[in-house]
Amino acid sequence: GAVVSQHPSRVICKSGTSVKIECRSLDFQATTMFWYRQFPKKSLMLMATSNEGSKATYEQGVEKDKFLINHASLTLSTLTVTSAHPEDSSFYICSARESQGRDEQFFGPGTRLTVL
Amino acid sequence: QKEVEQNSGPLSVPEGAIASLNCTYSDRGSQSFFWYRQYSGKSPELIMFIYSNGDKEDGRFTAQLNKASQYVSLLIRDSQPSDSATYLCAVAASGGSYIPTFGRGTSLIVHP
Repeated sequence: GAVVSQHPSRVICKSGTSVKIECRSLDFQATTMFWYRQFPKKSLMLMATSNEGSKATYEQGVEKDKFLINHASLTLSTLTVTSAHPEDSSFYICSARESQGRDEQFFGPGTRLTVL
Repeated sequence: QKEVEQNSGPLSVPEGAIASLNCTYSDRGSQSFFWYRQYSGKSPELIMFIYSNGDKEDGRFTAQLNKASQYVSLLIRDSQPSDSATYLCAVAASGGSYIPTFGRGTSLIVHP
């Protein structure tokens, strides 16, 4: 199956700092990448959909100025959590979908963010 | 509002038994159906996808799709303790440009 990597896998930061999370498709080109957030024992929550070369589409209730998404190439998308606060602490997971016509999403291993 | 419903469980089965996980969906236009497994603290892993009515088998896993009744199920034969995880159902319209909708997941516990 297709491989998606995320970096870092775990990050601890101080309140007010910004954190960048990278998501890479290693062996395929991802025209679409998704960013999810998951709180403990809760379901996946889609934050935004990112298409290469265009602006991300954010889900209702997700602040686009706080969660900056850049999908500059077919293999890389980044999520930057700006001015992080403790309530932003969560498990952030990206997924990637191959070229149009393929529906399967492949998930990265996730990034656990802890904001102190 | 597209909805995907799953019983949150936990579903508890003995080792060696068949585990049956069910999922219903509201959008009749749905064409693509996926089952993901998520271990605690890990990200989801794709285990099966199905597009056509009927059964699709892959090893110990069988996905069953009934579009008329709008449900998709996952059977796990010869369940093992290592199958204990949360199983997520995802549903999408076809074409690659549609965003899949995920269910909340069913927790499966396989006890020795």
